[in-house]
Amino acid sequence: AQSVTQPDIHITVSEGASLELRCNYSYGATPYLFWYVQSPGQGLQLLLKYFSGDTLVQGIKGFEAEFKRSQSSFNLRKPSVHWSDAAEYFCAVGVYNTDKLIFGTGTRLQVFP
Amino acid sequence: DVKVTQSSRYLVKRTGEKVFLECVQDMDHENMFWYRQDPGLGLRLIYFSYDVKMKEKGDIPEGYSVSREKKERFSLILESASTNQTSMYLCASSPTGGDEKLFFGSGTQLSVL
Repeated sequence: AQSVTQPDIHITVSEGASLELRCNYSYGATPYLFWYVQSPGQGLQLLLKYFSGDTLVQGIKGFEAEFKRSQSSFNLRKPSVHWSDAAEYFCAVGVYNTDKLIFGTGTRLQVFP
Repeated sequence: DVKVTQSSRYLVKRTGEKVFLECVQDMDHENMFWYRQDPGLGLRLIYFSYDVKMKEKGDIPEGYSVSREKKERFSLILESASTNQTSMYLCASSPTGGDEKLFFGSGTQLSVL
């Protein structure tokens, strides 16, 4: 069965530091992969998505993610975090032959000034 | 701007009450979804609908039902609310195709006392 694992529940970084949020998936074929961000009290907003092609995907707000098939990973990165990036981040995989998504348990990012 | 609107931001109900959570989208999307979000568990799919009057169970449908009489509206029904249904409920919509993102509403925080 398809699944998504986000091994880090909570990450704290200083403003200006680099960031990497981990995501591992379980899927038999080439997956559709997504990263969403949820600010406090808000719904989820799409940061970026991967379907095929270039394995390095650029998203909004300066985020990027790299698909690594050999590691079954789709880690989210940002070279320099801003205080406004404090939020919860969800990785998701598309369910084969449907329009459904399976979400990971999320990583809460805290940013210190 | 595209929109998924959930009728209530906060809702407090008593055990045993029948509860209706309403969701409306203005994007003419075929698919609509109800997710439940709990700390440490991420988003879990309750039900989804891929057309008017069509519905499919998600991963945790027990205790819930849904109604989709019109394309733009998808209702989640708790027939007899219980305290373990206290949670954040997120509605989402997407066009058919599997490669388009989900658009989320801002969520309804339901407390069952």
